[in-house]
Amino acid sequence: AQSVTQLGSHVSVSEGALVLLRCNYSSSVPPYLFWYVQYPNQGLQLLLKYTTGATLVKGINGFEAEFKKSETSFHLTKPSAHMSDAAEYFCAVSDDTGRRALTFGSGTRLQVQP
Amino acid sequence: ETGVTQTPRHLVMGMTNKKSLKCEQHLGHNAMYWYKQSAKKPLELMFVYNFKEQTENNSVPSRFSPECPNSSHLFLHLHTLQPEDSALYLCASSQAGASGVGNTQYFGPGTRLTVL
Repeated sequence: AQSVTQLGSHVSVSEGALVLLRCNYSSSVPPYLFWYVQYPNQGLQLLLKYTTGATLVKGINGFEAEFKKSETSFHLTKPSAHMSDAAEYFCAVSDDTGRRALTFGSGTRLQVQP
Repeated sequence: ETGVTQTPRHLVMGMTNKKSLKCEQHLGHNAMYWYKQSAKKPLELMFVYNFKEQTENNSVPSRFSPECPNSSHLFLHLHTLQPEDSALYLCASSQAGASGVGNTQYFGPGTRLTVL
């Protein structure tokens, strides 16, 4: 069975500071990994995804994530936080076998302080 | 319309009411999903439909009844709900069976349901 762990339900950074949101996964087969963002009272928007190929993935709004198989991690980063980045971020995993459904982490709420 | 749309965006209902949530996807996908998002709880997958057939029901109470008349439309019929059913209900779609894309799901804006 697959699982996702997001360390830190709340992360607070200052505007202009580095954003680092942690995600570790468990999967018995090569995973596909996703980050979604949810702004207040909205649905989930795909930020970026890793399926195959380059392990450093660039997404929208200046975010990127690196797939590290040895660490079973897919941490999300952004060099410089902006006030508009305040939202909830969800990491998810799926694979190309069996159920194929997404398994989501519990989410990390990002606060950006002026 | 593009993407995934959901109506209504907000719904308030009493415990004896019957109402329906509607989801429509304009992406040409063949799989659709209902999720429940409650405060301080992880996203919960409720139902999965592939090519209009229900393939997953995650032990959802029978007061929630899904319907998928075609690959573009998904409904969630609600009756005799409880206050603890108040939540954001999210619909998503994906291209089931396409390998290499990891089942990328695209979400609608959700329906905020309040049960009084």
